[in-house]
Amino acid sequence: DAKTTQPTSMDCAEGRAANLPCNHSTISGNEYVYWYRQIHSQGPQYIIHGLKNNETNEMASLIITEDRKSSTLILPHATLRDTAVYYCIVRVDASNDYKLSFGAGTTVTVRA
Amino acid sequence: DTGVSQDPRHKITKRGQNVTFRCDPISEHNRLYWYRQTLGQGPEFLTYFQNEAQLEKSRLLSDRFSAERPKGSFSTLEIQRTEQGDSAMYLCASSLAAVAKNIQYFGAGTRLSVL
Repeated sequence: DAKTTQPTSMDCAEGRAANLPCNHSTISGNEYVYWYRQIHSQGPQYIIHGLKNNETNEMASLIITEDRKSSTLILPHATLRDTAVYYCIVRVDASNDYKLSFGAGTTVTVRA
Repeated sequence: DTGVSQDPRHKITKRGQNVTFRCDPISEHNRLYWYRQTLGQGPEFLTYFQNEAQLEKSRLLSDRFSAERPKGSFSTLEIQRTEQGDSAMYLCASSLAAVAKNIQYFGAGTRLSVL
């Protein structure tokens, strides 16, 4: 049972911001939004997560709508190395929540 | 490099043979996870350990699959009597459950091809 909905694919230009949407209309009050990405032939890589406030780290920014039913991952200046599959996952941020449920993700292609 | 090592990176085997994969997690991490990923799909959870105890197994993990984590350090995943449907990427991840974030760090995976 998919908890998130993401576009199948998107392109963006190198050097421009990439905005990746995710819908999670059934998110519970104690569930966080996590983003991972998977570059070809590598394992998934943690990017960022948040509950309701916007978050920023060295890799990306996460914008969560006020009703928490959707979010956007922003890569501020996309590079060719950002080409990857990006996964949006909702989960409880607790030590007893043990697994990540990946969907098909969004395949992002950064073009020169 | 996340610090999670998997060996081998690639394995080609004939149907019916047994295979074993190894995962070395980040040293202080007490949780270790195995996932399987087929082409075009996201990873699917198989099983996880907290220290040496195997606490959960997915229905995807048939009787031909067994995982161990002796002494709570490295883990092995064995597949007996391999089938062509077992062809996939097998990913290992580790995390430190003591902290609320419980971020999982993944290895590069072992790609299994069953001929």
